[in-house]
Amino acid sequence: KAGVTQTPRYLIKTRGQQVTLSCSPISGHRSVSWYQQTPGQGLQFLFEYFSETQRNKGNFPGRFSGRQFSNSRSEMNVSTLELGDSALYLCASSLAVGGYTFGSGTRLTVV
Amino acid sequence: EDKVVQSPLSLVVHEGDTVTLNCSYEVTNFRSLLWYKQEKKAPTFLFMLTSSGIEKKSGRLSSILDKKELFSILNITATQTGDSAIYLCAVEATGSSNTGKLIFGQGTTLQVKP
Repeated sequence: KAGVTQTPRYLIKTRGQQVTLSCSPISGHRSVSWYQQTPGQGLQFLFEYFSETQRNKGNFPGRFSGRQFSNSRSEMNVSTLELGDSALYLCASSLAVGGYTFGSGTRLTVV
Repeated sequence: EDKVVQSPLSLVVHEGDTVTLNCSYEVTNFRSLLWYKQEKKAPTFLFMLTSSGIEKKSGRLSSILDKKELFSILNITATQTGDSAIYLCAVEATGSSNTGKLIFGQGTTLQVKP
């Protein structure tokens, strides 16, 4: 079966711009979580969506937002980009507790 | 504050060596501990541990959890260059504030030299 698909794979943006990243979960998975991975901070939880509802949110500023559609696909948006937002953004989908499958991520570079 | 700490942060070994990676945690309402291997981008699942003292094995990899001392180890025997990767330890907790959330350690970067 198809895995978790994230698009685009790479992205270069300028400070102040906004960006939208997409995540298509494994078919049948209704939970999608997002993480930011940087060399200094490791993987940090951004938020989690289930059946189009945000159930949990990490400690990130309001510039980071997301949503989930009825087909379980999820998007995350970062507005007013800062240099420090450069990172690998990973999403993970889950059918049940503990069964998290990660996508290959989107590498965002802010210049 | 919940936290997961991995050690060592990096490790260089030669093919054939055995390595032990450590993960300790301080997490309220522990549910499970997971190990992932990250080579390029996507972390790939290795093990999920929920019960103390029960070793999980997959080929040359094995892992065990100690819920009393709050740690887990990941062993890799007869290492190969293909084992070179970042090994991530993550803990999942129960409760509405932990839904869908994994708490990750910093990762251990393993390099296996030929």
